Amino acid sequence: KNQVEQSPQSLIILEGKNCTLQCNYTVSPFSNLRWYKQDTGRGPVSLTIMTFSENTKSNGRYTATLDADTKQSSLHITASQLSDSASYICVVSDRGSTLGRLYFGRGTQLTVWP
Amino acid sequence: EADIYQTPRYLVIGTGKKITLECSQTMGHDKMYWYQQDPGMELHLIHYSYGVNSTEKGDLSSESTVSRIRTEHFPLTLESARPSHTSQYLCASSENPHPSSYEQYFGPGTRLTVT
Repeated sequence: KNQVEQSPQSLIILEGKNCTLQCNYTVSPFSNLRWYKQDTGRGPVSLTIMTFSENTKSNGRYTATLDADTKQSSLHITASQLSDSASYICVVSDRGSTLGRLYFGRGTQLTVWP
Repeated sequence: EADIYQTPRYLVIGTGKKITLECSQTMGHDKMYWYQQDPGMELHLIHYSYGVNSTEKGDLSSESTVSRIRTEHFPLTLESARPSHTSQYLCASSENPHPSSYEQYFGPGTRLTVT
């Protein structure tokens, strides 16, 4: 069964600190992995997308890593800001259909305190 | 910033009412999707469309229906709303390139509460 598991479920950090969010998946055949940021009451916004051959990708203070062998990914946030408070969702796409079906994790709820 | 819009943003309605959630995009995307998301849970695909006059059911069974008469418009309808339909509904669209690289753009969502 294709699944995406994220940890931790929630995380509280102080402004300016770094943090790392984890994602494990069993989706096969693998196409790509994305990290989305979802603010409360809003739709998800893409942060990074990585294919099988990529093992790291950065977007400003966000750096995602991918280990396709162990089927693990992480999202590292550097120098956190209050605006980073949101749910971070790991999404894996398969290449078994023309739709490119997406499998969503439940997200990690990050809260940044001043 | 993605050009995909949803209305209304919030809706509180009584049981048995018919409702239509609107979704429109101005990016010319052929593929469009409807997801349902409960608090703290993952998004579930309930409907999708490859293009005009194409509609398919997603992974999660839903009593809602959709239509795709125009490329830019993908409304979702509930004929008779029930409290179990209370949820957040997210619309998305995607580009047309090879599926392994396409990006999905999400609307802001509609928070539906059925009393």
